[in-house]
Amino acid sequence: DTAVSQTPKYLVTQMGNDKSIKCEQNLGHDTMYWYKQDSKKFLKIMFSYNNKELIINETVPNRFSPKSPDKAHLNLHINSLELGDSAVYFCASSPRGGWAGELFFGEGSRLTVL
Amino acid sequence: EDKVVQSPLSLVVHEGDTVTLNCSYEVTNFRSLLWYKQEKKAPTFLFMLTSSGIEKKSGRLSSILDKKELFSILNITATQTGDSAVYLCAVEDGNEKLTFGTGTRLTIIP
Repeated sequence: DTAVSQTPKYLVTQMGNDKSIKCEQNLGHDTMYWYKQDSKKFLKIMFSYNNKELIINETVPNRFSPKSPDKAHLNLHINSLELGDSAVYFCASSPRGGWAGELFFGEGSRLTVL
Repeated sequence: EDKVVQSPLSLVVHEGDTVTLNCSYEVTNFRSLLWYKQEKKAPTFLFMLTSSGIEKKSGRLSSILDKKELFSILNITATQTGDSAVYLCAVEDGNEKLTFGTGTRLTIIP
């Protein structure tokens, strides 16, 4: 059983399109995150949710909108895709209430915008 | 803004060598420092350090934190080809936010 699973793993799309990435965790964790990793392997936090409530919202264009229907799911919707959005997007979850601590990462979703 | 700097950016050694990876940081309201290993896909957790001077150890890997000088090191002894990866250091602040460094790419030559 995969602990943190993301779909799709690969996404190739044209500029201007809208796309979504889904994430689910079966670890019973309360906190979930979205991270963006660029071509230089730099991982940067985008959002975090604790039990469906938005906790961290970094300086991210408002074309990016997270949605957490329940504490096991955190989806990422991106409107009007741009070339600079090309990256690997990682979903993660954390077991500690109030601590980021040990993150469990999904395998990543590689987004390529043409 | 929180900042994490790792060095070296890349390192190539022979199997059996010992390596030391460095991580220095600036963070408001420090809570913890973490090390992750990233091979092809997802980063995997190695250590979490919260107190100075207490070494954490797991097999051939060990790590220590110096909160006065604001740095941590990750040591790997008797390296093996399976240790080849990008090693990421991250610090957690009082708002539960993790800031990652750019990583050290370690390559082990058989």
